[in-house]
Amino acid sequence: AQSVTQLGSHVSVSEGALVLLRCNYSSSVPPYLFWYVQYPNQGLQLLLKYTTGATLVKGINGFEAEFKKSETSFHLTKPSAHMSDAAEYFCAVTIREYGNKLVFGAGTILRVKS
Amino acid sequence: ETGVTQSPTHLIKTRGQQVTLRCSSQSGHNTVSWYQQALGQGPQFIFQYYREEENGRGNFPPRFSGLQFPNYSSELNVNALELDDSALYLCASSLGGLAGGEQFFGPGTRLTVL
Repeated sequence: AQSVTQLGSHVSVSEGALVLLRCNYSSSVPPYLFWYVQYPNQGLQLLLKYTTGATLVKGINGFEAEFKKSETSFHLTKPSAHMSDAAEYFCAVTIREYGNKLVFGAGTILRVKS
Repeated sequence: ETGVTQSPTHLIKTRGQQVTLRCSSQSGHNTVSWYQQALGQGPQFIFQYYREEENGRGNFPPRFSGLQFPNYSSELNVNALELDDSALYLCASSLGGLAGGEQFFGPGTRLTVL
């Protein structure tokens, strides 16, 4: 079965600093990986996804993530944090056989300090 | 283009009662997935409907049931409510259920069971 571990339930960065949110997955077959963002009282919004091909994936709002098979990781980064990035971020995994039924991590709340 | 909508926004029930949550999928989408997001946790997959048929189910008891209608809107029904059913219930729609396909999430229904 697939699973996701997000290291750090809370991450705090200063405005303009690098954002790094960690995600490790477990899957015995090639995974499909996703990052979603959730703002208060809203649903989830897709930031980016990895299916096949290029391992460095660029998403919306300046975020990117790199799929590293050897490390079973899919960490999310953004070079310079903005106050509007404060939200909760979820990493999710699925495999081809399961279609788009996602297994989510527990989430990381990002706080951006001015 | 109308996004995914869910109703009601909030509701409060007591243990043992039954509840029905509703989801209208995004225009053109034929697949609806339901997720339960308990406080402080990531969303957990409940089940998925594709063209009015159940297309996969997560680890939830039979008292969680659903329907999808010809217009692809959907209902989630929970019988014999328990305190642990208190959560945010998210609906996501997509065009088909392929692994790389994007799901569009609604804002959720927050259910409180007293």
